[in-house]
Amino acid sequence: GENVGLHLPTLSVQEGDNSIINCAYSNSASDYFIWYKQESGKGPQFIIDIRSNMDKRQGQRVTVLLNKTVKHLSLQIAATQPGDSAVYFCAENQGAQKLVFGQGTRLTINP
Amino acid sequence: NAGVTQTPKFQVLKTGQSMTLQCAQDMNHEYMSWYRQDPGMGLRLIHYSVGAGITDQGEVPNGYNVSRSTTEDFPLRLLSAAPSQTSVYFCATSLGELAGGPGQFFGPGTRLTVL
Repeated sequence: GENVGLHLPTLSVQEGDNSIINCAYSNSASDYFIWYKQESGKGPQFIIDIRSNMDKRQGQRVTVLLNKTVKHLSLQIAATQPGDSAVYFCAENQGAQKLVFGQGTRLTINP
Repeated sequence: NAGVTQTPKFQVLKTGQSMTLQCAQDMNHEYMSWYRQDPGMGLRLIHYSVGAGITDQGEVPNGYNVSRSTTEDFPLRLLSAAPSQTSVYFCATSLGELAGGPGQFFGPGTRLTVL
């Protein structure tokens, strides 16, 4: 059968629009969540994090929303710029050094 | 201050060969980890260390060995390479006990192909 892991979900947005990237996590006991940006040929870069006692956290041009009821995270990027083109991963900390990453979403910016 | 360095950047092996991927850090972080990233996938934890002399298994440890004799270095050994180990390997360090977040730093990666 098809290896769906080879096909990253893709989101295309117009430059200047807002982007929303979604992620479902697996472990209801996880209490720390992180969003990473990965550019081609590089390691992941930290964007923003959130603990389970919060449902929203804002950074510079980014906002993370956490819905524990449905085990869902989203990353909102305001006024998307060409430099935002990358693959975005959510990750959940399942205890100490055990970080579990989602599949990722490729964000492309249309001029 | 180089941060996290990984060598080599690229490597091609034949099935059955062994090799060591090197990871070094100059930030004096106690916590270090190895991840692999397959095409179109997120990173998966192979092994981690909470300090010199202490290592533990992650999600996908089979076929890999690690040791941590110093704070600075955390090599990853492939004992007998298999095509399924073709991947990009990332080393990471962590400032705190809780992995992830602004205190975790990833190296640039080693792209490994096993023929």
